[in-house]
Amino acid sequence: QKEVEQDPGPLSVPEGAIVSLNCTYSNSAFQYFMWYRQYSRKGPELLMYTYSSGNKEDGRFTAQVDKSSKYISLFIRDSQPSDSATYLCAMSLYSSASKIIFGSGTRLSIRP
Amino acid sequence: ETGVTQSPTHLIKTRGQQVTLRCSSQSGHNTVSWYQQALGQGPQFIFQYYREEENGRGNFPPRFSGLQFPNYSSELNVNALELDDSALYLCASSLDRGQGTEAFFGQGTRLTVV
Repeated sequence: QKEVEQDPGPLSVPEGAIVSLNCTYSNSAFQYFMWYRQYSRKGPELLMYTYSSGNKEDGRFTAQVDKSSKYISLFIRDSQPSDSATYLCAMSLYSSASKIIFGSGTRLSIRP
Repeated sequence: ETGVTQSPTHLIKTRGQQVTLRCSSQSGHNTVSWYQQALGQGPQFIFQYYREEENGRGNFPPRFSGLQFPNYSSELNVNALELDDSALYLCASSLDRGQGTEAFFGQGTRLTVV
């Protein structure tokens, strides 16, 4: 069993829809939870990070962490074609920048 | 752009050969991590260097080795290349190991082993 499980998709939604991306994990010791966006032929870029449980909002993006269920989510409101990318959930025991364990990524396509 | 630069961008090597990949970290960053991303997969942590010392290693064999230089740039060396080593190799730099820091990734080196 992988430490972090993520549905690879692909996921295709119309422009303006709400997108929900999810990951489950097995290691209850994870403290840092991140979401990265990766465009084709680029490195991942950090979208949001959360320390421990709770919600965090940044513009159209909301990240949720439920440590009791070992489940994290990313919601994208009013999705745009420019949001089309691969979204990687990621976790770490140590910090938001160190020894990061990634999910396999969900490929998202927003149809105009 | 993140300010993390990797070279070369693409590389083709033959099985059994050795390869060196290079990473120039963002100005002021003292920590460099290397990741391997196979096609269709998420990045996998190889190892991390902090102030020129290895500081943690993922589940990779010893033929994967690295260096960090006084200017905090870094190299990843892979000996005795195998076909399964074909992947995108990503370098990430950050300011330190503490909480609340962000790892900035380069665009990667695409390695193909034939």
